[in-house]
Amino acid sequence: DAGITQSPRHKVTETGTPVTLRCHQTENHRYMYWYRQDPGHGLRLIHYSYGVKDTDKGEVSDGYSVSRSKTEDFLLTLESATSSQTSVYFCAISAGHDSGNTIYFGEGSWLTVV
Amino acid sequence: DAKTTQPPSMDCAEGRAANLPCNHSTISGNEYVYWYRQIHSQGPQYIIHGLKNNETNEMASLIITEDRKSSTLILPHATLRDTAVYYCIPSGSARQLTFGSGTQLTVLP
Repeated sequence: DAGITQSPRHKVTETGTPVTLRCHQTENHRYMYWYRQDPGHGLRLIHYSYGVKDTDKGEVSDGYSVSRSKTEDFLLTLESATSSQTSVYFCAISAGHDSGNTIYFGEGSWLTVV
Repeated sequence: DAKTTQPPSMDCAEGRAANLPCNHSTISGNEYVYWYRQIHSQGPQYIIHGLKNNETNEMASLIITEDRKSSTLILPHATLRDTAVYYCIPSGSARQLTFGSGTQLTVLP
């Protein structure tokens, strides 16, 4: 158990509606990440955070925004959900950013946009 | 980023050792080798990582060749719960964590 809780775990939403996924950690780790996983693409980094109010874009950030107002919470928002954002979303945490700092993943949030 | 080659699938008898190979011939000097596994419908689970030396923890052992171009993950006594996709990942940082296709390990009763 890596001390990561994702919510909701499953959600079905309609195209054009806003959706927020929450990641909560109890490890007080500085770095937090949001990935999405799709068949044929593996895990792709959406956004990451290196501290409170400090965030940066990943490989597939278009259509997503994030916020981190507290060390323990990292929110991923889809401002206007599209069918292409149907995916499994994983939150991850690590103590550091460089190689040698292990990344621990949450259990995932399954999002379906209809 | 270093490219990896893993066999797409392997079978192992329950109770026997599972040896999962990975080639990462383009690995950089500062990149650790990480191993994760993913059981269906769950998040990736960290197993072990190493830089140059062999490593062992409660889950597995990691053998890295001297030239660092390949490594082997060893599950000493595989159980049915070890059935999963195993990923070998050379990584310089979390921003470069690339999960490829991995090896589907099936532990047979």
